[in-house]
Amino acid sequence: AQRVTQPEKLLSVFKGAPVELKCNYSYSGSPELFWYVQYSRQRLQLLLRHISRESIKGFTADLNKGETSFHLKKPFAQEEDSAMYYCALSYPGGTSYGKLTFGQGTILTVHP
Amino acid sequence: EAGVTQFPSHSVIEKGQTVTLRCDPISGHDNLYWYRRVMGKEIKFLLHFVKESKQDESGMPNNRFLAERTGGTYSTLKVQPAELEDSGVYFCASSPTGGNQPQHFGDGTRLSIL
Repeated sequence: AQRVTQPEKLLSVFKGAPVELKCNYSYSGSPELFWYVQYSRQRLQLLLRHISRESIKGFTADLNKGETSFHLKKPFAQEEDSAMYYCALSYPGGTSYGKLTFGQGTILTVHP
Repeated sequence: EAGVTQFPSHSVIEKGQTVTLRCDPISGHDNLYWYRRVMGKEIKFLLHFVKESKQDESGMPNNRFLAERTGGTYSTLKVQPAELEDSGVYFCASSPTGGNQPQHFGDGTRLSIL
């Protein structure tokens, strides 16, 4: 069965420091990986997806199939990055297409 | 464009009562998903509608949960009778047809069973 693991429940860094939120997955096929973010008092929203290979708000994430990882990185954290981050996996096809499997989430706090 | 709307935002009921949650997806989105986050656990998939049809309901916990999407527009999720372990935040998401499109989430309904 598919599974997404985010080993850190809490992550604290200082403003300007690099940040990396870890995500590992287990899935036998070719999944699609996403990072979703929930800022304080806002709804869950898509941050980025691996097939886009783009940088959003300075964040990047590379899919490493060998290590089955999809870590989220940002070289210089900002206070406004403080939020809950979820890594998620979905099926690209079949009857369960679109169904998201989430990790437990990582609360990122960026201190001034 | 109006986002996904969920009602109510918070519901507090007693064990054994019935509660109905509603989700209005983004107009034109054929795919509608329900998820749930129980305290301390990850967000888990409940079911997926394509228009009015249930595509995948493998995540529904038991037969106390009934989801409908009559007419392929808004959806309701009824819990009858509610149990203590049903407490949590229920999220709805929608996405357009075509490929594996990103899902747009609502604010969620916080359900508290006393």
